[in-house]
Amino acid sequence: DAGVTQSPTHLIKTRGQHVTLRCSPISGHKSVSWYQQVLGQGPQFIFQYYEKEERGRGNFPDRFSARQFPNYSSELNVNALLLGDSALYLCASSAGGTGNTIYFGEGSWLTVV
Amino acid sequence: GQQVMQIPQYQHVQEGEDFTTYCNSSTTLSNIQWYKQRPGGHPVFLIQLVKSGEVKKQKRLTFQFGEAKKNSSLHITATQTTDVGTYFCAGPSSNTGKLIFGQGTTLQVKP
Repeated sequence: DAGVTQSPTHLIKTRGQHVTLRCSPISGHKSVSWYQQVLGQGPQFIFQYYEKEERGRGNFPDRFSARQFPNYSSELNVNALLLGDSALYLCASSAGGTGNTIYFGEGSWLTVV
Repeated sequence: GQQVMQIPQYQHVQEGEDFTTYCNSSTTLSNIQWYKQRPGGHPVFLIQLVKSGEVKKQKRLTFQFGEAKKNSSLHITATQTTDVGTYFCAGPSSNTGKLIFGQGTTLQVKP
């Protein structure tokens, strides 16, 4: 079975541009979460979606948005990119519900120049 | 807000030595999860502890969950070079279920 898949794996953007990151969860998983991991730190929660509804939002500005599609895949959008948005963006899927184990994809490395 | 803290931040050991990382939460946790991230990789789930005082072993790795469910530890016996990486603990938020990660402990093993 395929794990969590993310695309693209690496990308470079210029300040002010926007970016869309994509994620396909593990088959059967209905919950998708997004995390930002800056070099040297632990992952920071951005969003959680379950059954296409937003279930949680972390402390990130409105430039960050996400959505989940009927097939449970998800997109993370970031507008007006800043240098500080450079990070590894991780998608994680779970069956849903509190306490469920989450499984991370390999991530999308975003560099903003 | 709810915080999860880990110590130490870095640990360098000689191959064969033991290693321990400690995790402390500012609030009681329903469970605690441990992840390992190799350099350049993504976090990989290791284990979840749920019960107060629970101890679980995976070969040379021993995981403990404190009696008060606010702290946890990971102990590696006789480290190997394959143990190199950053070990994260994470606990669910008390009100949203999102995972709050510690800062991680980066383990270097000298052969």
